Amino acid sequence: KAGVTQTPRYLIKTRGQQVTLSCSPISGHRSVSWYQQTPGQGLQFLFEYFSETQRNKGNFPGRFSGRQFSNSRSEMNVSTLELGDSALYLCASSVDSVLTNEKLFFGSGTQLSVL
Amino acid sequence: SQKIEQNSEALNIQEGKTATLTCNYTNYSPAYLQWYRQDPGRGPVFLLLIRENEKEKRKERLKVTFDTTLKQSLFHITASQPADSATYLCALALYGQNFVFGPGTRLSVLP
Repeated sequence: KAGVTQTPRYLIKTRGQQVTLSCSPISGHRSVSWYQQTPGQGLQFLFEYFSETQRNKGNFPGRFSGRQFSNSRSEMNVSTLELGDSALYLCASSVDSVLTNEKLFFGSGTQLSVL
Repeated sequence: SQKIEQNSEALNIQEGKTATLTCNYTNYSPAYLQWYRQDPGRGPVFLLLIRENEKEKRKERLKVTFDTTLKQSLFHITASQPADSATYLCALALYGQNFVFGPGTRLSVLP
């Protein structure tokens, strides 16, 4: 069974631009959650999608948004990029919703650099 | 305030010894706790899960304990090997909420 796939692997953007990251979960997994990882703040929860609905949201500004498609693939969008958005963005899938406390399967992440 | 801490940012041990990593939390009531391993440039990989009513879980050379009174989990790797070198993250699973991750401990096993 293929693992969680995130594209692209690396991205370089400039301040003010927007970016879209993609995540394909493990086949059969209905939940996709997104995390931001930085050396200073560690792994922080952004949001979770389950059956195309946002079920849970972390403490991030509205510039961070996402969606999930009917095939469970998910995209995350960051608008008006800031230098502080430079981070490793990780997607994790689970069989059921994170709200039922499932174990997470992570992708390798997208390393975003904002210049 | 709510906080989750791991004993040290980095831990160096000699090959063959037992590595012990600590995860402490305050003002959380987790349903259970998980440990993940993360290698540089990769996503975390699930290792073990222990529930609030369990004291200890084992998997091969790994052992985890969970003391809800002390609000602490200990993660042990016995007979450590250089291949065990990685960052280890603890994660609290909160009732009806998302996971909260600790900052991680970077373990280096020296040959």
